[in-house]
Amino acid sequence: KAGVTQTPRYLIKTRGQQVTLSCSPISGHRSVSWYQQTPGQGLQFLFEYFSETQRNKGNFPGRFSGRQFSNSRSEMNVSTLELGDSALYLCASSLVDTPWEQYFGPGTRLTVT
Amino acid sequence: GQSLEQPSEVTAVEGAIVQINCTYQTSGFYGLSWYQQHDGGAPTFLSYNALDGLEETGRFSSFLSRSDSYGYLLLQELQMKDSASYFCAVRSFSYSGAGSYQLTFGKGTKLSVIP
Repeated sequence: KAGVTQTPRYLIKTRGQQVTLSCSPISGHRSVSWYQQTPGQGLQFLFEYFSETQRNKGNFPGRFSGRQFSNSRSEMNVSTLELGDSALYLCASSLVDTPWEQYFGPGTRLTVT
Repeated sequence: GQSLEQPSEVTAVEGAIVQINCTYQTSGFYGLSWYQQHDGGAPTFLSYNALDGLEETGRFSSFLSRSDSYGYLLLQELQMKDSASYFCAVRSFSYSGAGSYQLTFGKGTKLSVIP
């Protein structure tokens, strides 16, 4: 079974631009969560989607948004990029019955200059 | 709010045993997970404890005490490949969400295994 895939793997953007990251979960996984990982703050929860609905949202500004499609694939968007948005963005999927067991993708390394 | 505390770094000798502690403060607690992340890699799930006690999976064991808001990950017969960051993560009810749960991660413990 294929793992979680994320595209692109690396991205360089300029302050003020916007970016869209994509995540394809493991087949059969309907829950998709997004995390931001930085050396100083560790893994911080952004949001979770299930059946195309946002179920949870972390403490991030409204510039961070996401959506999920009917095939469970998910995208997250960051508008008006700031230097502090430079991070590794990780997507994770899980089964309905075992939500604590999350399978992470390799991440998208975003650099904002 | 929620908070998790774990040591930032631990060093241990190959073949030895190491324990990584995690204390947490949260409301709506449901369980404690552990994840491993090698440098440049993605986090991978190790274990989950919803009830008090010890869960064993090969060389790794995880313990939970709900009354003490405390858990630990025990790694036995350490190997060089165990050098990685280890994260504890609390699964808790999210009062701000649509009646769902969320996973809150600690900042991770960097384990260095030396010969």
